[in-house]
Amino acid sequence: AQTVTQSQPEMSVQEAETVTLSCTYDTSESDYYLFWYKQPPSRQMILVIRQEAYKQQNATENRFSVNFQKAAKSFSLKISDSQLGDAAMYFCAYRSNYQLIWGAGTKLIIKP
Amino acid sequence: ETGVTQTPRHLVMGMTNKKSLKCEQHLGHNAMYWYKQSAKKPLELMFVYSLEERVENNSVPSRFSPECPNSSHLFLHLHTLQPEDSALYLCASSQDSGPSTDTQYFGPGTRLTVL
Repeated sequence: AQTVTQSQPEMSVQEAETVTLSCTYDTSESDYYLFWYKQPPSRQMILVIRQEAYKQQNATENRFSVNFQKAAKSFSLKISDSQLGDAAMYFCAYRSNYQLIWGAGTKLIIKP
Repeated sequence: ETGVTQTPRHLVMGMTNKKSLKCEQHLGHNAMYWYKQSAKKPLELMFVYSLEERVENNSVPSRFSPECPNSSHLFLHLHTLQPEDSALYLCASSQDSGPSTDTQYFGPGTRLTVL
């Protein structure tokens, strides 16, 4: 069965600095999709970035980028120039067919 | 943030009550989902509907009963719940439910407390 592990329950970073959130997953499939979602306090879950496993190039969305290591089954999220609005729970998810398999989340704290 | 709406936002109910959660999506999507989110645990997929037909039921207790009358509305009927059912219930929708990079769009959730 597929599993997703986020080993950092909480991370903190100084405003304007860079932070990396870790995610590892376990699967026997060769074609799949990976996502990072963000859930701000009392607000809706929104997609941050996604990666197709068949693409070797790492996805980038403005200040957000991923380091996708397929052989290591690792999918980390890097946030550059952290802003106060980045404070949230961050969830890593793996998609197989119609199911998203979720990690337990990492709480990101931004220090002003 | 108005693509997927959920009502009520907060619900407190006794174990003998019957209540319903409502979800509505305004995105023209074909698939809708119910998730349970408990503190410090991964999101748990409960039900998936595609074109109003249930395609997945992840061994959810029968005290949770979903209903999808059309592709824009999804309900979760609750009866004789247990205190451990207290959680945030999230609704989501996506264009399709098949294998793809389809993004799921989430509602704000209903915070359920069972006394």
